[in-house]
Amino acid sequence: EAGVAQSPRYKIIEKRQSVAFWCNPISGHATLYWYQQILGQGPKLLIQFQNNGVVDDSQLPKDRFSAERLKGVDSTLKIQPAKLEDSAVYLCASSAPTSGLSYNEQFFGPGTRLTVL
Amino acid sequence: QKEVEQDPGPLSVPEGAIVSLNCTYSNSAFQYFMWYRQYSRKGPELLMYTYSSGNKEDGRFTAQVDKSSKYISLFIRDSQPSDSATYLCAMSANGGSNYKLTFGKGTLLTVNP
Repeated sequence: EAGVAQSPRYKIIEKRQSVAFWCNPISGHATLYWYQQILGQGPKLLIQFQNNGVVDDSQLPKDRFSAERLKGVDSTLKIQPAKLEDSAVYLCASSAPTSGLSYNEQFFGPGTRLTVL
Repeated sequence: QKEVEQDPGPLSVPEGAIVSLNCTYSNSAFQYFMWYRQYSRKGPELLMYTYSSGNKEDGRFTAQVDKSSKYISLFIRDSQPSDSATYLCAMSANGGSNYKLTFGKGTLLTVNP
């Protein structure tokens, strides 16, 4: 089974430029998450999709960040304009639909490392 | 106070040592407790999860949860150089669909041959 795919793996931009990241979740996984992991910190949830609907975007800086998941499969995360403090690894994760008390594992992609100069 | 506190280390041990990693939390709604391992320049991968209080063992790894103290631990026995990674604790109030993970900062572990 193929894992979560992300591209690009690395991106360097100047502040005030825009950037976009792409994520392809594991086939059949209805829930997709974007996390921001700043160096030395744990991942912080930015946005969560269930199919193509947003479940939680309470920690997404909506003045500069946007995300979409068209057709409930692939997703893109965009930053416009970028700030120095946006330098981080952007992780995409996905999980399958489930019910009951069993834990529904989130599978993570390798991340996109963004450097804003 | 942060919801999840984790000592970032770094922690350096000799091969074969027993390693103890810990997290504390403040949100009493948390019921699912996870440990993720993250190698350099890779995404986190799930090591173990525990529902509610108690112990869980998987090979060289043991996870413990004490909800009364809001304290969780991961023990690694007979540590190996391949265990060198960042260990992240994570927690959520539910574990089915549409749940939110709250992570600790992660502890960087180095196991020296």
